[in-house]
Amino acid sequence: DQQVKQNSPSLSVQEGRISILNCDYTNSMFDYFLWYKKYPAEGPTFLISISSIKDKNEDGRFTVFLNKSAKHLSLHIVPSQPGDSAVYFCAASSQDNFNKFYFGSGTKLNVKP
Amino acid sequence: DSGVTQTPKHLITATGQRVTLRCSPRSGDLSVYWYQQSLDQGLQFLIQYYNGEERAKGNILERFSAQQFPDLHSELNLSSLELGDSALYFCASSATTDTQYFGPGTRLTVL
Repeated sequence: DQQVKQNSPSLSVQEGRISILNCDYTNSMFDYFLWYKKYPAEGPTFLISISSIKDKNEDGRFTVFLNKSAKHLSLHIVPSQPGDSAVYFCAASSQDNFNKFYFGSGTKLNVKP
Repeated sequence: DSGVTQTPKHLITATGQRVTLRCSPRSGDLSVYWYQQSLDQGLQFLIQYYNGEERAKGNILERFSAQQFPDLHSELNLSSLELGDSALYFCASSATTDTQYFGPGTRLTVL
């Protein structure tokens, strides 16, 4: 039962343009969401998070948007850089049960120079 | 460098065998999580320990077991290995709640 879904396995974007990565979830109890970035041969690294009390969180070039009614979140990278090429995972949890995080299957982003 | 270490980096073994993967969490982190990533799949949560006690279980097979020791390092034991167990196994640690910090992973190949 996949509670967090990333329906686009890959995305290709030109350097300098915006990258938009999408994530959908099914469990309405989820109220905390994270994005991780993973380079080959490395573990995932935390990128940005958002609590359900917000609908937007920004950190430099990275912004995460949350639409609770649609159970959808997205990660925007502006401007995209070749170094952003990696696999991006979204994850979800509920703040009263941080024992379990549910991850999507990942989206591989390729930023072309 | 996340501060989480995993050994070994690579492991090649045969079907039916047993292996142990080791994880040392970041200094001070009490929680350890184990995840499995099969080819082209997302991260599947296996199990979580907090300060030596099992706290949550995910899709962990009965052939797999884990423990967390008093020094907070953790081991994931995989037995009666099958070809389908070939995957990347990640350990993550966290201090209290939200963010998890991942180790570099152990790549297990079962031949």
